[in-house]
Formats: sequence, structure tokens, C-alpha cells
Amino acid sequence: KQEVTQIPAALSVPEGENLVLNCSFTDSAIYNLQWFRQDPGKGLTSLLLIQSSQREQTSGRLNASLDKSSGRSTLYIAASQPGDSATYLCAVGGSGTSYGKLTFGQGTILTVHP
Amino acid sequence: DAGVTQSPTHLIKTRGQHVTLRCSPISGHKSVSWYQQVLGQGPQFIFQYYEKEERGRGNFPDRFSARQFPNYSSELNVNALLLGDSALYLCASSLGTGTRETQYFGPGTRLLVL
Repeated sequence: KQEVTQIPAALSVPEGENLVLNCSFTDSAIYNLQWFRQDPGKGLTSLLLIQSSQREQTSGRLNASLDKSSGRSTLYIAASQPGDSATYLCAVGGSGTSYGKLTFGQGTILTVHP
Repeated sequence: DAGVTQSPTHLIKTRGQHVTLRCSPISGHKSVSWYQQVLGQGPQFIFQYYEKEERGRGNFPDRFSARQFPNYSSELNVNALLLGDSALYLCASSLGTGTRETQYFGPGTRLLVL
């Protein structure tokens, strides 16, 4: 059974700091890994999708890496801003299924203070 | 283009009642998935439907059921509500089935069971 863990559970940083969020998964047989952002009481916004054959993806100030063999992914946020404050969720799509089930971590709550 | 839409946004029910939640996917998307997110946790997969057929089911009791209509919209039904069913219910759509697809999430329906 796939299990996804995110560390840290919460993070508070001053504006402008570069930061790293971590995600680990127990079963390396995945199709892809997706990072989402969730604002309080809202749905999920997809940030980056990394296919299993890729090592990293970049979008603006965000960079996500994937190391399938070690079961790890990191989300790097450069020059953080107060608007980045949200919960960040990591989700893996497993190759053991023929359908689009995502297995999520519990999230990292990020607070960026001015 | 409109994103994934869900209705209602909020709902209050009492134990033992029945509830129906609705989801309209992004235009052109044929797959709809349902997730339950309990406060403080990551979403948990409930169902995936593609072309009106169930393609995947998570570890939820038979009180949970769903269907997909010819226009690809979907309903999630929960019978005999329990207090533990209180959660944010998220719908996600994708072009097709399979874990290689990016899933786009709606804003969710917040269900409170009293």
C-alpha cells in the first residue's frame, strides 16, 4: 500500500526566503507525482506534474524534483511571498492501478510573513 | 473556459440522512474522480468514473455510490450519514483515465453532519 509523507507539517518563514518542502513515498512504482496548493477551505490548484521518466519540472519561482529510486520529491520555492501562504500537498499516481487514483500526503502548512 | 464546478458549496445534514453532491468537469474531460478530505488530512480517493463506467474505487463503505451521466457530469451519493462523513468532498476531472493525466480539482462541497 502506497504511503506518502510530507515534512515538515508546518513551516513559517520571513518574506524573501528560499524554502524546500519534502515529500516521500513508500512504493517507487509510480507513474507521476503532482504538487498542489490548497488555500483555506478551498479546492486544490495543480502546481507541477512530474512524470516518472522526468527528474524535475519548473514553473516560475517553483521547482519540483523527483527521485523515484529513493522515493523522494522536493518542492523548492524561491523568494517566498506572503501570497505563497497555503497548504502544499504532494500526490503520487501509482502504476499498480489502471485508473487515476492519487495518493496524497497530509500536507505542509506554509506561512510567509512580511 | 470554466473549471470544474461543484454544487452545493456547503451542506448541513443530520445523521441517517442521504446526500447527493454534483460535479461538472472541464469541457472535453471524460473522467471524473471523487475524493474525501477530512480536516487536517490529505484527500482520500473514493471513486473514478470514465465514460459512465466505474474505473476505480477506494476503501469506502457501500453507503458511498456514484454515477456519471452522458454529458460526463457526476453525482456522489452517501446514504445513512454518519458524523464521520463530515468533510470536504472534492471532484477532479481529467481528459482520460490513468495516472498519467493531470487532474484538475473543483472548489469542493463542505458537508457537515450533525
